[in-house]
Amino acid sequence: EVQLVESGGGLVQPGGSLRLSCAASGFIFGDFEMNWVRQAPGEGLQWLSHIGKSGSPVYYADSVRGRFTISIDNAKNLLYLQMNSLRAEDTALYYCTRRFNSWGQGTLVTVSS
Amino acid sequence: EIVLTQSPGTLSLSPGERATLSCRASQSVTSNYLAWHQHKPGQAPRLLIYGASIRHTGVPDRFSGSGSGTDFTLTISRLEPEDFAVYYCQDYSSPPYTFGQGTKLEI
Repeated sequence: EVQLVESGGGLVQPGGSLRLSCAASGFIFGDFEMNWVRQAPGEGLQWLSHIGKSGSPVYYADSVRGRFTISIDNAKNLLYLQMNSLRAEDTALYYCTRRFNSWGQGTLVTVSS
Repeated sequence: EIVLTQSPGTLSLSPGERATLSCRASQSVTSNYLAWHQHKPGQAPRLLIYGASIRHTGVPDRFSGSGSGTDFTLTISRLEPEDFAVYYCQDYSSPPYTFGQGTKLEI
């Protein structure tokens, strides 16, 4: 059974950083591209970033390019999202997804002073 | 960048009724790489349809997708109580993998 479990969310001040993790199991992690998607309070789903098999190519939404970095550790079956220069508008539930056909339950990021 | 516009924003129906949700793209979706996802509060999103009309594994056959080019439809033939949720269409042909703004299906 495919399982994706996000972690690393929490409360952070504006301008701060967080690193989200997504632990994958139940499939050969290196065979699939992965994505991060978020949902801000009261809003819809927003795609953020994509990483291909073995770490490339990578793509970002305009709203996070230059601030967020996606990466993978195939040896540990982990997907990451390093988030820097966080803003209030980055407050959201962050999901990892395998090719959009399997999703995690999400981890909540709150950016507030 | 393709913009996906879903209508209606909210759809109020009863169990047993038929639901028709629309998704219109600002330009043609390449190779019909159009997906539909169901999202309930507190749960992970769930892929229902990909390739505009192919049901994902385990999705009941009351869910069907149709359309091509710029106009797509998700139909739920007979609503069950568990179908009341928010539905998103998505273009996954190339980044950015845009989502529509969602249609809330409510009782």
